[in-house]
Amino acid sequence: DSGVTQTPKHLITATGQRVTLRCSPRSGDLSVYWYQQSLDQGLQFLIQYYNGEERAKGNILERFSAQQFPDLHSELNLSSLELGDSALYFCASSVGRAWGTGELFFGEGSRLTVL
Amino acid sequence: GIQVEQSPPDLILQEGANSTLRCNFSDSVNNLQWFHQNPWGQLINLFYIPSGTKQNGRLSATTVATERYSLLYISSSQTTDSGVYFCAVERNAGNNRKLIWGLGTSLAVNP
Repeated sequence: DSGVTQTPKHLITATGQRVTLRCSPRSGDLSVYWYQQSLDQGLQFLIQYYNGEERAKGNILERFSAQQFPDLHSELNLSSLELGDSALYFCASSVGRAWGTGELFFGEGSRLTVL
Repeated sequence: GIQVEQSPPDLILQEGANSTLRCNFSDSVNNLQWFHQNPWGQLINLFYIPSGTKQNGRLSATTVATERYSLLYISSSQTTDSGVYFCAVERNAGNNRKLIWGLGTSLAVNP
């Protein structure tokens, strides 16, 4: 158990819908990262937050947004869902580092299926 | 940007065999990590090793930063070692830092 908690574990929804994925980092970790893993594109970095502020951005679509709350949990919002958004979405956390990536610990992922 | 190459892409072993996985990177790094993704999709942190050597049970890793490569050794492999092994690195420069991931080595350990 990495100590990173993600919910829900599985989610099935329809095209055009909106979903929210939730992540609670390990106790004491200030940084949260979101990754998308699909069959044809491997592991893609989406976005990083450090202590509530956005720190680094990857290949995150405009239809996607994220935030980190004062209690350090994070949510990834996916809207206007398309079939191609079906993927495994991982959250990871690390001990606080203002810049760059610390030692990452991953949650079990949220498997999103868009029908 | 920095390039990360892992080899071999695929590996099949008999239980009990040893193996070495390699990660080459094209620039100096301040962060290198090895991860194992098991067949159920879980991503497990194996080593945080920007330089030097570490060991954890049957697994060990060595990073030679000056020569821009890292090796992951698996000894006495078990079927539970099956899955994909990823190397990820971060450049030692810039503000918008992020981990760059290799494509992984897919390992199958047969009983």
